[in-house]
Amino acid sequence: DQQVKQNSPSLSVQEGRISILNCDYTNSMFDYFLWYKKYPAEGPTFLISISSIKDKNEDGRFTVFLNKSAKHLSLHIVPSQPGDSAVYFCAASVDLGGSQGNLIFGKGTKLSVKP
Amino acid sequence: DTAVSQTPKYLVTQMGNDKSIKCEQNLGHDTMYWYKQDSKKFLKIMFSYNNKELIINETVPNRFSPKSPDKAHLNLHINSLELGDSAVYFCASSQDPGDRPYEQYFGPGTRLTVT
Repeated sequence: DQQVKQNSPSLSVQEGRISILNCDYTNSMFDYFLWYKKYPAEGPTFLISISSIKDKNEDGRFTVFLNKSAKHLSLHIVPSQPGDSAVYFCAASVDLGGSQGNLIFGKGTKLSVKP
Repeated sequence: DTAVSQTPKYLVTQMGNDKSIKCEQNLGHDTMYWYKQDSKKFLKIMFSYNNKELIINETVPNRFSPKSPDKAHLNLHINSLELGDSAVYFCASSQDPGDRPYEQYFGPGTRLTVT
C-alpha cells in the first residue's frame, strides 16, 4: 500500500526549461512534505520542504506546491540545468506524537536534463 | 567533513552469516535512522532511534537489530543473513523538532549482497 506515489518513473527536459515533478499521497494525516535529490552511489540529499499549512514554498530555482484537497504536490525547477539530473524522491511525514517523524518515500522520478 | 558516514560501502557475504554496518554522524543530531532501499527502489524506514526511544517498523525481521553505543553512532546488526536482505541500506540523522522537524541527512549507503 503506497501512501506516497510518484507515477512518473522518468522525466526528460531540455536545459533552461521548466521541470515539473509530481507526487500524490493518500494519507490526509501527513503534515509535512519533503523533496530529496539522489545522485548514483550517494545518499538522498534534502532539497526543499513544505508544511501542510502552506501551499507554496520557494527556494531559488526550486518551488514546491501543495494542493491538500487533491492530495497532490509538485516540485518545479526553473530553469533546469544538467546538474539537476538525478532521482527525485517525494517524502511525507506524520507527527507521531513523539520526537521522531518517520518519512514515507515515493518510488522516485529520474530527471534527465539535456544540454 | 562528511556529515553522515557509513562503513562499509560494499558488503558481500554468504547466507547464514552475521554482519554489521556502522553509521556515524557528526552533526550533533538527536535522532538516527536506518532505511532499506530494495530492488524496486523503494526507500523504507526500518528503525528510528534517539536516547529516549527506539521505534521499530513492525515489518522488519528481528534478525535486524540497531545498536547505539553513543548519540553519534547507530550500527545495524544483521543475523542469519538471507538472500532477500540484499539491498542498499541508508543511515540518516535529524535534529529533534524545530523549524524543520523532519529534515533528515543521509549517509552514502551500504550495498549489501548476500550470495
